[in-house]
Amino acid sequence: DAGITQSPRHKVTETGTPVTLRCHQTENHRYMYWYRQDPGHGLRLIHYSYGVKDTDKGEVSDGYSVSRSKTEDFLLTLESATSSQTSVYFCAISESGTSGSNEQFFGPGTRLTVL
Amino acid sequence: GENVEQHPSTLSVQEGDSAVIKCTYSDSASNYFPWYKQELGKGSQLIIDIRSNVGEKKDQRIAVTLNKTAKHFSLHITETQPEDSAVYFCAATTSYGSARQLTFGSGTQLTVLP
Repeated sequence: DAGITQSPRHKVTETGTPVTLRCHQTENHRYMYWYRQDPGHGLRLIHYSYGVKDTDKGEVSDGYSVSRSKTEDFLLTLESATSSQTSVYFCAISESGTSGSNEQFFGPGTRLTVL
Repeated sequence: GENVEQHPSTLSVQEGDSAVIKCTYSDSASNYFPWYKQELGKGSQLIIDIRSNVGEKKDQRIAVTLNKTAKHFSLHITETQPEDSAVYFCAATTSYGSARQLTFGSGTQLTVLP
């Protein structure tokens, strides 16, 4: 299994509170991604990173921010959590370049509940 | 942007039978189509993928077919086994070889009945 960990694995929080989810990799892969998974929607990209301090928005980025200060860590922050952000969040990593594998490796997920 | 539709949302088959999951995509520039399997409580894992210059690819009991003209691709699992029970996601991207912003389908819950 690819070396990807997510923390915390489960979190319950209240509306309006800030939340930070962490993704940590030991594979030295260039690309990192944050997805949310909701019933009927599959996996939707929130933000992704193509290098240290290089990030870009995905399909559902409103209400989320990210930071990547080290190759191995990618943080997802909900500045003020809302009930619509209750979801399962998955981090993924992939290699880079046309000669690299296109496979994305997924972490185990974080289940976030916003009350 | 790309839109991927996946059908059916649930599928039950008897052990040993075949299962077929279908996806359609909207962007004719999409050039890479992976399939991921998600077991309960785990992250998704790539099981097979196909590039737009290929019409079919097989890996043991799993095959994927691509029809670029119709903009649809399908996953075929033969001789299904209980361990094939999982959620399957199709995906598409126009960015093979660079930042791979995958657009996923909504998933198919496959149940293989013993």
